[in-house]
Amino acid sequence: GAVVSQHPSWVICKSGTSVKIECRSLDFQATTMFWYRQFPKQSLMLMATSNEGSKATYEQGVEKDKFLINHASLTLSTLTVTSAHPEDSSFYICSARAGTSPYEQYFGPGTRLTVT
Amino acid sequence: AQSVTQPDIHITVSEGASLELRCNYSYGATPYLFWYVQSPGQGLQLLLKYFSGDTLVQGIKGFEAEFKRSQSSFNLRKPSVHWSDAAEYFCAVGAQVGEKLTFGTGTRLTIIP
Repeated sequence: GAVVSQHPSWVICKSGTSVKIECRSLDFQATTMFWYRQFPKQSLMLMATSNEGSKATYEQGVEKDKFLINHASLTLSTLTVTSAHPEDSSFYICSARAGTSPYEQYFGPGTRLTVT
Repeated sequence: AQSVTQPDIHITVSEGASLELRCNYSYGATPYLFWYVQSPGQGLQLLLKYFSGDTLVQGIKGFEAEFKRSQSSFNLRKPSVHWSDAAEYFCAVGAQVGEKLTFGTGTRLTIIP
């Protein structure tokens, strides 16, 4: 089956630093990847949609300059949290949509970010 | 805009008992509906999905869900729960296959012996 990986699985960083999270589709090409954020005991909220080779589309209220998304290849998308603050601590989950039928979406295992 | 409501924040069920988790959606056209399960600190696992056709869909781990257009519902059921079913369950709706999903707030399932 289709597998999506995320790296790292968890990361701790100091306030003011930046951290990059990778999302890879291991056995299929993903023309589109989605980035979600999940606060403790809450639901997943879509942050942005990234299409390979083009700029990401951000949901309302998500800061583009803070959450930089790059989708440079059909198997890799990255989310960089710039100048992280404690309120950015969250569980970040990516999903990847296959570029061929049935175009289903597969989720990664998530990355736990803690900003101290 | 599409939305999903999961009215039950937390449900406790005895092992071996039946289970039904409720999900109501709001969407203007025919929705694409999903149920996912999430164990603590883990990602999402797809249990089942509905796109069209038979309104009773079977999923993994013995789960099933029924799409009822008249009630805008897509409730998840299991005839006999196992302790390993304890987890968070999310209902989600999308406009099309592979499009961004809108998730409900989730239902936390606790299993008691």
